[in-house]
Amino acid sequence: DGGITQSPKYLFRKEGQNVTLSCEQNLNHDAMYWYRQDPGQGLRLIYYSQIVNDFQKGDIAEGYSVSREKKESFPLTVTSAQKNPTAFYLCASSIDRTEAFFGQGTRLTVV
Amino acid sequence: GENVGLHLPTLSVQEGDNSIINCAYSNSASDYFIWYKQESGKGPQFIIDIRSNMDKRQGQRVTVLLNKTVKHLSLQIAATQPGDSAVYFCAENIRGGKLIFGQGTELSVKP
Repeated sequence: DGGITQSPKYLFRKEGQNVTLSCEQNLNHDAMYWYRQDPGQGLRLIYYSQIVNDFQKGDIAEGYSVSREKKESFPLTVTSAQKNPTAFYLCASSIDRTEAFFGQGTRLTVV
Repeated sequence: GENVGLHLPTLSVQEGDNSIINCAYSNSASDYFIWYKQESGKGPQFIIDIRSNMDKRQGQRVTVLLNKTVKHLSLQIAATQPGDSAVYFCAENIRGGKLIFGQGTELSVKP
């Protein structure tokens, strides 16, 4: 089945820890995106990548890092510099100027 | 920053009525627009899209209208059903690859 997979579905982080959220797609899409969603809010762009080995900051990149070593994979690391990381994280992929397909999200909670 | 904004944060309609969800965008470089539906705890799902060289596009029970003069986008849902209850987001694709989402409108359908 073609699609975009995020893991894990739920993630708990202790304060001061870095955590990495996984996003994998087998749709052969060039573009990939990471969004953060807080309760009752819209999606805010963290990072996006148009091609392998290249990525750009979105609107709220501080405290996050990404890599794009493979076309299929775009992992997001939430670093200890992100002071309020509890949120729902969504990954998406697309071919340029077509609809983006979303994963089912990772819910991150700081404990 | 340049964001897509929605006029109505909540919309309540009677089953069988038509729904209209509005969206304002501010980036004149945007050339592709998408409407998404998001159910609680899930990733957004594609509904319909429109390119900037069009002003109207129809799907099954849904129509998107684009007014580039006033930078306005709307989603019309015909014969709204209880299963249409969700949060609806518009998104704009800015040249260069950035995909930006609006705040969202929660649609509630009363039986």
